[in-house]
Parts: sequence; C-alpha cells; structure tokens
Amino acid sequence: EIVLTQSPGTLSLSPGERATLSCRASQSVTTHSLAWYQQKPGQAPRVLIYGASSRATGIPDRFSGSGSGTDFTLTISRLEPEDFALYYCQWYGSSAPTFGGGTKVEIK
Amino acid sequence: QVQLQESGPGLVKPSETLSLTCSVSGVSMISNYWTWIRQPPGKGLEWIGHIHYSGTTNYNPSLKSRVTMSVDTSNNHFSLNMNSVMAADTAVYYCARGSGWHYDWGQGTLVTVSS
Repeated sequence: EIVLTQSPGTLSLSPGERATLSCRASQSVTTHSLAWYQQKPGQAPRVLIYGASSRATGIPDRFSGSGSGTDFTLTISRLEPEDFALYYCQWYGSSAPTFGGGTKVEIK
Repeated sequence: QVQLQESGPGLVKPSETLSLTCSVSGVSMISNYWTWIRQPPGKGLEWIGHIHYSGTTNYNPSLKSRVTMSVDTSNNHFSLNMNSVMAADTAVYYCARGSGWHYDWGQGTLVTVSS
C-alpha cells in the first residue's frame, strides 16, 4: 500500500502569493496516477489535476501539477481569494487508491 | 449535466448495518465504475471501494470484511452496505463516478453511528 504524506500541514499566505504544496509517496511510483483535489467547507472535493500534471476541465491555469517518482507538487501561481481551502493528493495507480492527509491553505 | 445524490439514514446504531444509495442522472451507468469515499468529521478522505456496472467490485482491504456494494443500472443507482458499524464509521459518505480520479461527486451525506 502506498502512503501519501502531504506537507506542510498548513500554509499561511496572502492573496497574490505563490503556493507550493508537496505530496510524497512512500515508494516510487512508475505511473503518473496522481491527482489533486480542492475542498471547501461543506463541499465535496473538486478535482484540479490528474495524471500528475493535467488540468481538469474548467480549472484555471494558475493551478499546475508536477513531479514523478516519490515527489509531486501542486503549485498555485498567484493565490486568489477563492483558493484558500484544503488540498488533497490521491494516488490511484493501484487497486486500492489512497489519499494524503491534506494541506490547508489559509489567509495570512 | 452529471448529478449524483446520496441518500440513506443519517443515524445508525452501533453493530447495525449502514445502507446508502447513490442516484445517478445525466450519464449512463454502463461502462463506468462507481465509487464510495468517506470523510470523518474534521479528517481526511478514505476510499471505501468501487463497483463496475457489470457488478465487479474492489474494496479497501481495511474495510473489505464489512462492505458490500451493488449496482442497479436499470434504475440508475448503486448502493453501499457496511455491517457491524462503530463510532469510527461516523463520516460524510460521498459517491463518485470513476475508478481513478473523480470529476463527478455527490454532495455527501453525514452518517452518525450512535446509540
């Protein structure tokens, strides 16, 4: 089973700043079966990135994903007020998909 | 557009069975996988399992002994049963389309396990 560790737990930034979120897998993964989700209070998660770097339909280009092996990154180039939320990574490259513990992006 | 809607009791007693249904509209259930994911209050997401429209299932190993999923393509819904529930099963339960990453999700339904 692949365990995903997200860091930091909380990221305190101001609107307009760049956010860099990390997702580390417990073992090297040979396919890019990594997704990123955004979740706001009381709402279901919304997929942002799939295949490690492909933006889902309707997602602004300020969101980008990168990485391979054990280290993956979600970057938000310039934070908008609506981007302050929880973010989860998900590994779906095996028969038992797993989620990371989440990173909260909060307003500084 | 694709819509998924969870339904079922919001309160279940310990040791009893949790039963939820996800109603699907706007997309054919054929050729799709259908997934259940849960989120305990204030905590992260946990994949419960998925079912193919043909009925083939795949469950989280940690829950496999207690979980059963079924699908009814004629009536456009799929279901989750989890037996012998305990307080730790209290969570918002989501249904979603797909077996990998999920674009379409239900709004979620809170199930509380308490006597």
